[in-house]
Amino acid sequence: GQQLNQSPQSMFIQEGEDVSMNCTSSSIFNTWLWYKQDPGEGPVLLIALYKAGELTSNGRLTAQFGITRKDSFLNISASIPSDVGIYFCAGQLFGNKLVFGAGTILRVKS
Amino acid sequence: GAVVSQHPSWVICKSGTSVKIECRSLDFQATTMFWYRQFPKQSLMLMATSNEGSKATYEQGVEKDKFLINHASLTLSTLTVTSAHPEDSSFYICSARSGSKFYEQYFGPGTRLTVT
Repeated sequence: GQQLNQSPQSMFIQEGEDVSMNCTSSSIFNTWLWYKQDPGEGPVLLIALYKAGELTSNGRLTAQFGITRKDSFLNISASIPSDVGIYFCAGQLFGNKLVFGAGTILRVKS
Repeated sequence: GAVVSQHPSWVICKSGTSVKIECRSLDFQATTMFWYRQFPKQSLMLMATSNEGSKATYEQGVEKDKFLINHASLTLSTLTVTSAHPEDSSFYICSARSGSKFYEQYFGPGTRLTVT
């Protein structure tokens, strides 16, 4: 079945630093979604990508849909303490169910 | 916009009893709703997909008779955990997808179930 490889598994960075995480797949997707989950909460949609090569920003967040449609990355610039949480990528093919990555745990030192 | 609510946010029940969890899309009509289960420090595991007015489609390994799903309207889906046991204790999260933003899926805040 489809699987997403998300890396890194966890990050512990200094406040103000930039963050980068990515997801790769052996299969193609036509939609990539990035979510953030705080402890005890449901995931919140950060960015949705619909076209190969698309680069989309949401405040300090930037995400790109890879040209091959098999990968995506999420960058966070100038991290702040409230960026702490678990970030999940999710791929979708033609409206089918989402396939999730294992998540990237982000910790920020202030 | 695109708000999904869940109720209750947490519940404690005794082994053998049933628990119902509600999921509502507050500002959009959800043609499809999903129920996930999440264990600590793990990703989300899809349990079932439901379309309004249709029977839910369960993922392999998920017991249909134990996890009853009803998608009675375009804004409400319910998950009933029947004859709950301690191993059913988990974080249950619903998600909803609208017809207008077909590819965007929005999650509820989750329900923490503890079975004693």
